[in-house]
Amino acid sequence: DVKVTQSSRYLVKRTGEKVFLECVQDMDHENMFWYRQDPGLGLRLIYFSYDVKMKEKGDIPEGYSVSREKKERFSLILESASTNQTSMYLCASSSGYEQYFGPGTRLTVT
Amino acid sequence: QKEVEQNSGPLSVPEGAIASLNCTYSDRVSQSFFWYRQYSGKSPELIMSIYSNGDKEDGRFTAQLNKASQYVSLLIRDSQPSDSATYLCAVNFISSGSARQLTFGSGTQLTVLP
Repeated sequence: DVKVTQSSRYLVKRTGEKVFLECVQDMDHENMFWYRQDPGLGLRLIYFSYDVKMKEKGDIPEGYSVSREKKERFSLILESASTNQTSMYLCASSSGYEQYFGPGTRLTVT
Repeated sequence: QKEVEQNSGPLSVPEGAIASLNCTYSDRVSQSFFWYRQYSGKSPELIMSIYSNGDKEDGRFTAQLNKASQYVSLLIRDSQPSDSATYLCAVNFISSGSARQLTFGSGTQLTVLP
């Protein structure tokens, strides 16, 4: 079974804080993705990575950055958290087209 | 224009009935199609993938793909209350720089009534 884990299920941060969300997969997948999911807006791709140290912007990269130093780990960074970044953040990994999701992190920025 | 469209529902069916969920996609080259189930407060779970025209069956689930008409559907036979969830359709559009990305629909909320 594919296992994708995320560092926190719930997180509360203050406006302006730097926030790190971490994702780890144990299936040696090349591809990793970060999404956010908001009511009425569906799943939106923030960033993705095809390989170590490689990253590409998704549909909504503004205000976010990512890091992939090891194949199994993909981090999402909010440089200066804002209230409009309150959301459910989902990490996924794949070796082909089938993506497998982690449990998600519900981030609240106050 | 949305690239992957689903009726948001809610769709209600009685227990034991067939639930039919539909998804249409825009006129772009695509090769892979997926259905995910998402329970409230949980993350999406892959339940079906289909790559060629026709039907693909897996237990109580059947995925149907018609590329000429640009739609993919999911049928759930003998629906159970535990099938109550939001179902997301996802499509892999082939385009430069996005070969592995999926585009998701906004989901259809299904309620199976006991």
